[in-house]
Amino acid sequence: GAGVSQSPSNKVTEKGKDVELRCDPISGHTALYWYRQRLGQGLEFLIYFQGNSAPDKSGLPSDRFSAERTGESVSTLTIQRTQQEDSAVYLCASSRRFSTAYYEQYFGPGTRLTVT
Amino acid sequence: GESVGLHLPTLSVQEGDNSIINCAYSNSASDYFIWYKQESGKGPQFIIDIRSNMDKRQGQRVTVLLNKTVKHLSLQIAATQPGDSAVYFCAEKNSGNTPLVFGKGTRLSVIA
Repeated sequence: GAGVSQSPSNKVTEKGKDVELRCDPISGHTALYWYRQRLGQGLEFLIYFQGNSAPDKSGLPSDRFSAERTGESVSTLTIQRTQQEDSAVYLCASSRRFSTAYYEQYFGPGTRLTVT
Repeated sequence: GESVGLHLPTLSVQEGDNSIINCAYSNSASDYFIWYKQESGKGPQFIIDIRSNMDKRQGQRVTVLLNKTVKHLSLQIAATQPGDSAVYFCAEKNSGNTPLVFGKGTRLSVIA
């Protein structure tokens, strides 16, 4: 079946502009996650959604970052007034459930954001 | 706060040799661990997982070992192949509604 998809695959924007990144999770996956990966670095957790529960935004680095998800479908990550430090690959992942049970996250290919 | 780290940032091995990638974790409450493989330009891909009630789990050419006493996790790859070249991340999860916490990653380079 189809995996996690993200768009665009690459985005170049000027400093100060807003950007929207999109994630389409695997159908039926109730949990969705956003991560940031700077060049040569590990994955930095940003936010996750679980069904209709309030999202965990504890990883968002500043109030310029926000994310939305409609039900158990597509999610958008918005970065306002982009800064050069926002340049990174933004990865989205989804999983079947999020609970005390064990689970596996499936990752999309990521969106490479470059702020000039 | 909790952290997951790696002993070696890079590892070079000869094709056909076995590879061992290490990971240290600091949260003793973590009860689930995963190894991911990330090839250049792609998202991380699940390799193998292990629960805290186990100390070893085997997959196809891969074995994960968990030592809870010293909070250490390792990934062993048998007969390493050029296609194994990638960055490998360990990740941990503790009980409750918390997401995976990823380590910084180890780059594995296979020398043909």
